[in-house]
Parts: sequence; structure tokens; C-alpha cells
Amino acid sequence: GIQVEQSPPDLILQEGANSTLRCNFSDSVNNLQWFHQNPWGQLINLFYIPSGTKQNGRLSATTVATERYSLLYISSSQTTDSGVYFCAVAYRSGNTPLVFGKGTRLSVIA
Amino acid sequence: DADVTQTPRNRITKTGKRIMLECSQTKGHDRMYWYRQDPGLGLRLIYYSFDVKDINKGEISDGYSVSRQAQAKFSLSLESAIPNQTALYFCATSGTGLTDTQYFGPGTRLTVL
Repeated sequence: GIQVEQSPPDLILQEGANSTLRCNFSDSVNNLQWFHQNPWGQLINLFYIPSGTKQNGRLSATTVATERYSLLYISSSQTTDSGVYFCAVAYRSGNTPLVFGKGTRLSVIA
Repeated sequence: DADVTQTPRNRITKTGKRIMLECSQTKGHDRMYWYRQDPGLGLRLIYYSFDVKDINKGEISDGYSVSRQAQAKFSLSLESAIPNQTALYFCATSGTGLTDTQYFGPGTRLTVL
């Protein structure tokens, strides 16, 4: 099946710093989504981004489908950004569910 | 009210017991999913259903079964719970379009002693 690798596995930042999270995937996809799991376990969708660039406030994401990777940028990080960030993809061919990476655990320190 | 609800939110049970986790959604979505989360392993798909008459195994279906009672309800059963099924379980829903995002319930923390 499709492989999804996220890096780094863990990241510690000082409040106000910027960060880049990466997601590599092993096959062509027709769906790529980024999720944030807060420290209380709640999972929230951040972006649907199978290609191109999107921005939402301090967060932005870029997917280069031809090179099979996606980047999530967090600018001016805040303690509320802490949690685990997951990338999930679905195959381009076929009607298949999302496959999740193992996530990047982000800790933002005041 | 939450769009995707899960009951119970926490459950402690003993090895060999039958357990049912329930999921309901008010988003009108056809597609529903059950995932399990273990530390360091991300989210792994147990079962998914693209409509009421469709049930599919996911990556880790052994030891689990599901029932899609209606468009809005999708239940996960552990027929005979074992300790390595201790995990956080999530239900999720999505629409049928390629651009449809996935929405998660709050999770059920299950401990099997």
C-alpha cells in the first residue's frame, strides 16, 4: 500500500518561532489532508491540499504532487499550536480511504 | 451539538469481554470510518463503510467487527477483548466528493485489563 512518512517525528519550539513539517508519500494521490490533534485528543482538519498552496492565518501548506511531498508551515508559533500534526493521503487511482502518517509531535514552549 | 459523537468516551474492561463502541453523526455523510491510535503509530484504519450496504476491512481488522445500522450510525465491536486492543479509538465521517474533508469524533479511550 501507499506509504506516508512524516518528519521530524518530534519538534520543540520557542513561542514565536517558525517551523516546517514535511510529508512524503510513495504514490500518486488524489487527496491529501493535514490534521491537528490537540493535547486533549481532538482531531481537526487543517487543509485539503492534493496540490498547490493554501493559507489559513498563520498556517500554510504546499503540496508538490509530482515530487510526492507536502509541507506544512507554522509561523509565529503559539502554545496553542502544540499537539500532533498528521498528514493523510489517498491513492489517485481508485476510491480508497485516507492513509495516515505517524505524525509530528510539536511542543511550543512559552 | 457535536457533529460526530462517540459512546462511551472511556471504558475499562477485562480480557475476554465483548465490547461495543458506537458512533453517530449528524453531517449527513455516507462514508464512515473506525480508526485506532496507539502512541507513535499514528492512526490505523480498522473498518470503513462508503454507504449503508458497504463494509470494508481496513489495515487492522482482525479481532474487530462492525455494523452500519443506518447512514448516521456505525458501531465497532470487539468480540473478545484482549490487552493489546487497549488504545484510543476514533470514528470519522466524510462526504463522497474527492474534496470532502474528514471529520472526527472525540475518541473513545479503551483499556483492556
